[in-house]
Amino acid sequence: KAGVTQTPRYLIKTRGQQVTLSCSPISGHRSVSWYQQTPGQGLQFLFEYFSETQRNKGNFPGRFSGRQFSNSRSEMNVSTLELGDSALYLCASSLGTSGRGDIQYFGAGTRLSVL
Amino acid sequence: AQSVTQLGSHVSVSEGALVLLRCNYSSSVPPYLFWYVQYPNQGLQLLLKYTSAATLVKGINGFEAEFKKSETSFHLTKPSAHMSDAAEYFCAVIRGSTLGRLYFGRGTQLTVWP
Repeated sequence: KAGVTQTPRYLIKTRGQQVTLSCSPISGHRSVSWYQQTPGQGLQFLFEYFSETQRNKGNFPGRFSGRQFSNSRSEMNVSTLELGDSALYLCASSLGTSGRGDIQYFGAGTRLSVL
Repeated sequence: AQSVTQLGSHVSVSEGALVLLRCNYSSSVPPYLFWYVQYPNQGLQLLLKYTSAATLVKGINGFEAEFKKSETSFHLTKPSAHMSDAAEYFCAVIRGSTLGRLYFGRGTQLTVWP
């Protein structure tokens, strides 16, 4: 079974631009969660989508948004990029219906650099 | 509120030595706890999870963790370190009834010396 696929792996953008990251979950998984990883803040939760609906949201500004499609693939968008948005963005998929023991499987991440 | 604290941002051991990575949780109810590993330029890989079925949990690559309610701890151990174990390790918890959201510790970088 294929794992979680994130594209692209690397991105370089300039301040003020916007960016879209893509995540394809494991087949059969209906939940997709997004995390931002930085050396200073560690791993922080952005949001989670389940069956095309945002189910949970972290404490990030409205410039960060996401969506999920009917095939469970998800995208996240960051508008008006700031230098501080430089980070590794990780996507994780899970069944979404197994309760608190649900295992999240992570992709390799997209490394975003904002210049 | 549930959270996890990892003691020691860096741990160094010699190859063949015991690996002990510390994680303490704060919770008023039995938590669901996880250990993940991250190799350079990769995502996170699940090592093991605790879901109250057994206090000693065995994971992949020879790692195990013991849930100790009296100490609110879930430390990760491996009897004999291997060079390939060098990576960053994260303890994480599911908080309350919020599915799909993991709360992570700050991570522990494990260095293994030959």
